[in-house]
Amino acid sequence: DGGITQSPKYLFRKEGQNVTLSCEQNLNHDAMYWYRQDPGQGLRLIYYSQIVNDFQKGDIAEGYSVSREKKESFPLTVTSAQKNPTAFYLCASSMGLADEQYFGPGTRLTVT
Amino acid sequence: GENVEQHPSTLSVQEGDSAVIKCTYSDSASNYFPWYKQELGKRPQLIIDIRSNVGEKKDQRIAVTLNKTAKHFSLHITETQPEDSAVYFCAADDYKLSFGAGTTVTVRA
Repeated sequence: DGGITQSPKYLFRKEGQNVTLSCEQNLNHDAMYWYRQDPGQGLRLIYYSQIVNDFQKGDIAEGYSVSREKKESFPLTVTSAQKNPTAFYLCASSMGLADEQYFGPGTRLTVT
Repeated sequence: GENVEQHPSTLSVQEGDSAVIKCTYSDSASNYFPWYKQELGKRPQLIIDIRSNVGEKKDQRIAVTLNKTAKHFSLHITETQPEDSAVYFCAADDYKLSFGAGTTVTVRA
């Protein structure tokens, strides 16, 4: 069954802790993305990767980090430097940057 | 970078009526304009897209129009049904997608 998966679905952390969100795809897509979704604000791009071992900052990269060691995986770390980390995080992938993006089911992160 | 504005933010229509959502973009280099539908608690899914060499595209009850000169594009849903209730996002691509803030569509039975 092909697709893009994210885990966990819900994640709770204490303030000051780093947390890593998982994103895996078996669509053989080169490009992968991380978005943050807050109520009434649409989707904001955090980081994107066009190819393995390369990634670029999006519009709201501060307080986040990523890696792209494998084509299938693009984990996102929310660091303690992110001032307001509670949000819904969506991962996506596409063949290339200007192609249809397929989204994962999302991870809802709550930091208290 | 690209700036996409989407209107209206909420839209309520009677079942069977049409719904229209409009978006404007700022970067004339953008050439890919997808529309995504997100049902409550679910992932966004592509419903239709259009590229800059095409002015209009239809898929059953859904159509998208693009005016590159004016830098705006619109989503049209005809004969709306309760299952059309969702949040709809437009997006424009220069070298990466920039999304509008979304339109919450409610179809009243």
